[in-house]
Amino acid sequence: GENVEQHPSTLSVQEGDSAVIKCTYSDSASNYFPWYKQELGKRPQLIIDIRSNVGEKKDQRIAVTLNKTAKHFSLHITETQPEDSAVYFCAASLYIPTFGRGTSLIVHP
Amino acid sequence: EAGVTQFPSHSVIEKGQTVTLRCDPISGHDNLYWYRRVMGKEIKFLLHFVKESKQDESGMPNNRFLAERTGGTYSTLKVQPAELEDSGVYFCASSRMTGGYGYTFGSGTRLTVV
Repeated sequence: GENVEQHPSTLSVQEGDSAVIKCTYSDSASNYFPWYKQELGKRPQLIIDIRSNVGEKKDQRIAVTLNKTAKHFSLHITETQPEDSAVYFCAASLYIPTFGRGTSLIVHP
Repeated sequence: EAGVTQFPSHSVIEKGQTVTLRCDPISGHDNLYWYRRVMGKEIKFLLHFVKESKQDESGMPNNRFLAERTGGTYSTLKVQPAELEDSGVYFCASSRMTGGYGYTFGSGTRLTVV
């Protein structure tokens, strides 16, 4: 089955810095890669996703890149703000998404 | 539209007791999924319903876990008897499509077995 590795487990940045979270997956058949943000005590919510026929997608301060050959994808957040503090999960999916372990992002004011 | 609703939000039970978690999906979402996250680990798939049928239950840890979705609406996940290692946050998600698209998660049930 699919295996998703996510790094780092914790990421601490200063407000205004950039943050990058990286994931690798094992099943080359996976074709959909969503990213979820879970704020403390709330539900995981989709923030951006990318399909395997696209290499990069951007939405304001967040972007996702996908390298199908290397089987890795990354989330980039620019100009971080304290409200970006949350746990971020990557996932790889063909049928049922397989999630990574999550990255706890802390943005210090 | 109303979101995915889970209750209880928290449950603390003793080892050996029974607990039943409930999930109400978004109306019209045929696909319903149960996941579990143990502290610091991945959100791990447990099972998938399409309407009232179990499409994939490959992630269910053992036969102490029983999921049902009678009538294809809400779903329950019963743990009987509960063990310490069952502690974690149990998430439910629903979607119209398969493939991971359009997932909406509930807020989860935090289960603590003591």
